[in-house]
Formats: sequence, structure tokens, C-alpha cells
Amino acid sequence: DAKTTQPPSMDCAEGRAANLPCNHSTISGNEYVYWYRQIHSQGPQYIIHGLKNNETNEMASLIITEDRKSSTLILPHATLRDTAVYYCIVRVLGTGANNLFFGTGTRLTVIP
Amino acid sequence: EAGVTQSPTHLIKTRGQQATLRCSPISGHTSVYWYQQALGLGLQFLLWYDEGEERNRGNFPPRFSGRQFPNYSSELNVNALELEDSALYLCASSQGRVAYNEQFFGPGTRLTVL
Repeated sequence: DAKTTQPPSMDCAEGRAANLPCNHSTISGNEYVYWYRQIHSQGPQYIIHGLKNNETNEMASLIITEDRKSSTLILPHATLRDTAVYYCIVRVLGTGANNLFFGTGTRLTVIP
Repeated sequence: EAGVTQSPTHLIKTRGQQATLRCSPISGHTSVYWYQQALGLGLQFLLWYDEGEERNRGNFPPRFSGRQFPNYSSELNVNALELEDSALYLCASSQGRVAYNEQFFGPGTRLTVL
């Protein structure tokens, strides 16, 4: 799986959009971008994933650049409950090694 | 729908002992994954079971082992415990072996080795 680079920490004001960047410059054509988050001492929670098109669900939006070398997770209206560590993961989809490779993630702090 | 459950919540052992951790996947999920989250080391993949068989293994010594039962629940065993085995052990499940199926995580078992 390709390596990802994320800023170690970010702050965001409550009610504002949180934009979390991720670099994955060595991503291959068959690798997807996944985002998970982990709220303190809980199990990670799936947020969203995509291949090359932008994706949106009830939690967030995922914007992937045209060259697929970077992406941004957008939480449109951050709340205090969004304070967590956010992990960007790239992985090949298939029936081989299904495990997720978690990096160090970005610690997002939502400020009142 | 019940989520992934793990037991016990906390486990305290002494060095050299064995620890057994249990995981029940979401109903209908056949794949179970184990991850270790030690302080300062992040989440690391341990083991993947599907349909009762070990499908993949992370870079951990053989004293980390497990199994999956016919009802798809799983057990992680850690033998000859060492101090550095102290960590949060997370179990995740997914629907079958297809990799794009998202993994749902349980709350974890915190193992402390004294």
C-alpha cells in the first residue's frame, strides 16, 4: 500500500469547515483512498473512500486531485464531537491482504 | 444492529503469562481483523481471519496467535507476555473477503502487562 503524509495536528473553529489534507504521491492506479477517524480511546470509525471522483456522504466530502497524488477530507460544519485523529489510508482492493495500514494521522481539535 | 463487541474491556496480566482476547463480529460478517495500538506506535495490523482460516498476518512474533470459530467470532491469544505487549487491541469485522467492504471496529481491549 502507498505511503501517506498528513499534518500531525490541525485546529478548526466550531461550525466552520475542516479541511484535512493528505499526500499520497506514490499512489497506484488501482489504489483507493480511505479515511477513518478515531475518537479518544475508541475504535476507528470509517468515514468515506474514493478512487478518482469526488465523493460525498452524510459525514464528509472527499476531494481527490486529478493526478490522484493528494486528497482532502472536508467536514462541512465541524462540531466538538469531530475532535479526533483522522487517518488517510490508500489500499488496493482485492482478495489479498485486506488489512488497513494506519499512519500517524492528523489530530483535529475543534475549538468552541 | 449490534456492532462489533470485544471482551474483556480491560485485562491485567504479569510478564510471562498468557492473555486471551475475544471478539464477536457484526452479524453476517465473516472477516475478522485484529490490530494492536501501542502507545507511540499507532495502529498496527496483527491478523486477519475469514471463513475460519488465517488469511494474512502482520509483522508480529508467533506468540501472537488466534483462531476464528464457526460462528465467525474470534480469539486472540498472546503467549509469554512481555511488557511491550501493553496496548489497546482492536478487533474489526467486514462482510466477506472483498477488500472494499469497510471495516467496523469494536471498542477494544486494553491489555496491561505488569
